[in-house]
Amino acid sequence: EAGVAQSPRYKIIEKRQSVAFWCNPISGHATLYWYQQILGQGPKLLIQFQNNGVVDDSQLPKDRFSAERLKGVDSTLKIQPAKLEDSAVYLCASSRDYQNNEQFFGPGTRLTVL
Amino acid sequence: DQQVKQNSPSLSVQEGRISILNCDYTNSMFDYFLWYKKYPAEGPTFLISISSIKDKNEDGRFTVFLNKSAKHLSLHIVPSQPGDSAVYFCAAKPQGAQKLVFGQGTRLTINP
Repeated sequence: EAGVAQSPRYKIIEKRQSVAFWCNPISGHATLYWYQQILGQGPKLLIQFQNNGVVDDSQLPKDRFSAERLKGVDSTLKIQPAKLEDSAVYLCASSRDYQNNEQFFGPGTRLTVL
Repeated sequence: DQQVKQNSPSLSVQEGRISILNCDYTNSMFDYFLWYKKYPAEGPTFLISISSIKDKNEDGRFTVFLNKSAKHLSLHIVPSQPGDSAVYFCAAKPQGAQKLVFGQGTRLTINP
């Protein structure tokens, strides 16, 4: 079974630029999560999808962050415009369904904002 | 407001001995707890979990203990092996939700 795929693995941009990250979850997994992990901290949930609907986006900074999962499979997370404090690893995870507690994580995208 | 805390940023243990990683939480509405292991440049990997209705779960060399009255859980690894060197995250699931709340992580180093 292929794992969660993410791209790009690394991205360096200047502040006020835009950036997008892509995630392909494990096949058949209905629930998809985006986490932000700042250096020295644990992952923090940004947004959770169940199929193509948003379940929880309470911690997503909606003035600059957006995410979509149009066909209930792949997802993109966008930051526009980026700030210095957005430098972090962005992790995508998926789980089989809403009832399943175990989440499988991708390798993450390391974003550096200069 | 850090609901899940791992107060030890790092831990060093001799190979073959027991490693004990600790985690404290403040929210009594958490009903499921998980431990994840993370190697550099990789995403976290699920290790072991425990429901709030239990006080112990064992899987091979890994055992998780839950003390609900103290709002404390611990991960025991015995015997410790060099491949166990990684960052370990404690995570908790709020009742009725599927999101995970993570601690800050503890970097475990196993010395030969």
